[in-house]
Formats: sequence, C-alpha cells, structure tokens
Amino acid sequence: EVQVVESGGGLVQPGGSLRLSCAASGFTFSVFWMSWVRQAPGKGLEWVANIKEDGSEKYYVDSVKGRFTISRDNAKKSLYLQMNSLRAEDTAVYYCARVEGYCSSTNCYKYFDYWGQGTLVTVSS
Amino acid sequence: EIVMTQSPATLSVSPGERATLSCRASQSVSSNLAWYQQKPGQAPRLLIYDASTRATGIPARFSGSGSGTEFTLTISSLQSEDFAVYYCQQYNNWPLYTFGQGTKLEIK
Repeated sequence: EVQVVESGGGLVQPGGSLRLSCAASGFTFSVFWMSWVRQAPGKGLEWVANIKEDGSEKYYVDSVKGRFTISRDNAKKSLYLQMNSLRAEDTAVYYCARVEGYCSSTNCYKYFDYWGQGTLVTVSS
Repeated sequence: EIVMTQSPATLSVSPGERATLSCRASQSVSSNLAWYQQKPGQAPRLLIYDASTRATGIPARFSGSGSGTEFTLTISSLQSEDFAVYYCQQYNNWPLYTFGQGTKLEIK
C-alpha cells in the first residue's frame, strides 16, 4: 500500500524556521518526482514545490522562492521541506504528494496521485 | 499563470441525483487536467486525470469530460459519501501547477 506520512509541523514565530519531513512506503520512492502542496485554513490548495527523482531539478511557487528548499534522501525514502524566514501567510497544512504521469521530450504532464494526511504549520507571535 | 475557475462555488443536490461541476482554464490546458475530492479533515484524493480517466479504485459514477479550457466532473447518482469539496487542477504548464478554488457539494 502506498503511504506518505508528514511530520515536523508546529508553531513558529514570524522569521523563524521549520523543517518538514515526509516518509514514504509501499512504492519505489527513487523513481518518482515528489511535491509539497499546502492549504491555508479554510482555503484552497496551492502547489509549493517539486523535486525530480534524483534531486537534480527543483521548482518552487514564486511566493516561497529563496525561503523554502525541497530536498530528498532516496536511501531513507524521505522528502523534506526546509522553510526559512516564515511569514504569517505561510500558515497552512502542508501535504506531501507523489507525482505521477510522464515526460515527453519537451514537457512533463504530471499530477498528484497519492497524498499524505498533512502537517500543520502555524506562523504566529 | 494559468487561472482555473470553478463553478458554482456551492452546489446543493439530493442523494441519488446527478451533480455537474464545472472548471474553466484561462488558456488551453489540452487534456492535462485532474479532479480531486477532499472531505473535512482529510487529504485530497485523486479522482480523475487526463480530464477523463478515473484513478484506481474510483467508482464508475464519477466521470470527467472536456478539453482545452472547459471541463466537467459529473457524479451520476450521488451517494452520501460524495458530499465534499472538489478541486480541479491543471498540469499542462509544468511545473507550475494551479488549482481551482473548489466547489463544495452539499446535501440538499
């Protein structure tokens, strides 16, 4: 059974840092892109970051560029999100998601097929 | 950025009836569109990808259609467990995913 389980959320002051983790099981972690998606309280879904199977490519939504870093450890089957310079607007449930689909020679077409239960990050003084 | 607009924001339907949810893209996304279901306190669940392909384990009463800029999610006969929030998401503009704002499907 495919599972992804997030951890590391909590309360942090504005300007602070937090590192989220996602433990994967039930599939070959090293052959899938992975993502973080967040959801502010009572709001919709927002994609945050993607990372390629081998970690060689990373992409971010503009609002977190320069502050968040996505990484992975394939030996540990784990995904991470290092969040620095946190702001109140970063308050959200953060979901880890497996990315499925394919890439052509010019583009990729990938969606989220499995999601974790999420971990809540609250940025407040 | 491709903007995804869902309508209506809230849809009230009786159990056993059909529900039709709409999603519009600000520019063509071809068939690179997914639908997700989210129940309160739960993670989103993939229902449909490539605009019309049901994900593993999704009942046949869920169907997706459309291409380009106009998409529809249809639930043919609503069951009690189907009342939830539904999101569409485009993945044509890789890797810059965007979601719609969601449609809440509630019991009439």
